[in-house]
Amino acid sequence: EAQVTQNPRYLITVTGKKLTVTCSQNMNHEYMSWYRQDPGLGLRQIYYSMNVEVTDKGDVPEGYKVSRKEKRNFPLILESPSPNQTSLYFCASSFTRSSYEQYFGPGTRLTVT
Amino acid sequence: AQKITQTQPGMFVQEKEAVTLDCTYDTSDPSYGLFWYKQPSSGEMIFLIYQGSYDQQNATEGRYSLNFQKARKSANLVISASQLGDSAMYFCAMRDRGGNEKLTFGTGTRLTIIP
Repeated sequence: EAQVTQNPRYLITVTGKKLTVTCSQNMNHEYMSWYRQDPGLGLRQIYYSMNVEVTDKGDVPEGYKVSRKEKRNFPLILESPSPNQTSLYFCASSFTRSSYEQYFGPGTRLTVT
Repeated sequence: AQKITQTQPGMFVQEKEAVTLDCTYDTSDPSYGLFWYKQPSSGEMIFLIYQGSYDQQNATEGRYSLNFQKARKSANLVISASQLGDSAMYFCAMRDRGGNEKLTFGTGTRLTIIP
C-alpha cells in the first residue's frame, strides 16, 4: 500500500530535550516536505527536499533541522524544542511537479511544556 | 508571492443540500495546480480534487467538483448532496514552481452538516 508513515503520532516533551520525528514513504517520490499546522494559520512549510542530499528552508524553518540521506526517509529534528513549537506536524511526499498531489502522513501531535 | 484566501471560517449546511466552499488564489506563475484537501476530526489530510491551470474543463471527482474561474483567480469546491460524513475542515491549496513546489494553504473552512 502506498503510504507516508510518521512516528511518533503523539509526543509530549519538555523544553530543551532534543527529539526526532521520523517520516518514510514507499512511493519513490523525489519531493518530501514538512508542514506544521496551527489554528487559524492553515499549514505552513518548514523544510523541503527535492531529492537525496538536497534540502532547503520553507516558510518557518527556525528551530528545526532536516536531513535526506535516503530517498524514502526525511526526519525532522528539533534540537532544543520550545513551547512555541507545540503544533500538529505533517510530512508529505510527491513527484516534483506542480500537477502532482502531495501525499500526507497521519500527523504528529507535539506538545512542548 | 503565492497566496490562498478562504473567507468562510465556518459553514452550516443541511444534509442532502449542495455546498460551495470559496477559494481565491494569487500567483504570478502561469503554471500551477490547485488542490482541495479534507481534514476530518481524526486529523489526517485527505486529497479530494485537483485542477491544473491549463485545464479547460472543471475537475470532478464523484460528488466533488471544482468551479475554476481563471480570470477571477477562484477555485471553489462544490459538494453535491452533502452527507453527515462531509463534516470536516476543508483546505484549498496551490502548488507552483515559484513556491519551490510547496503547497501554499488557505486557513480552511470548517463545514458542519446538520441532519
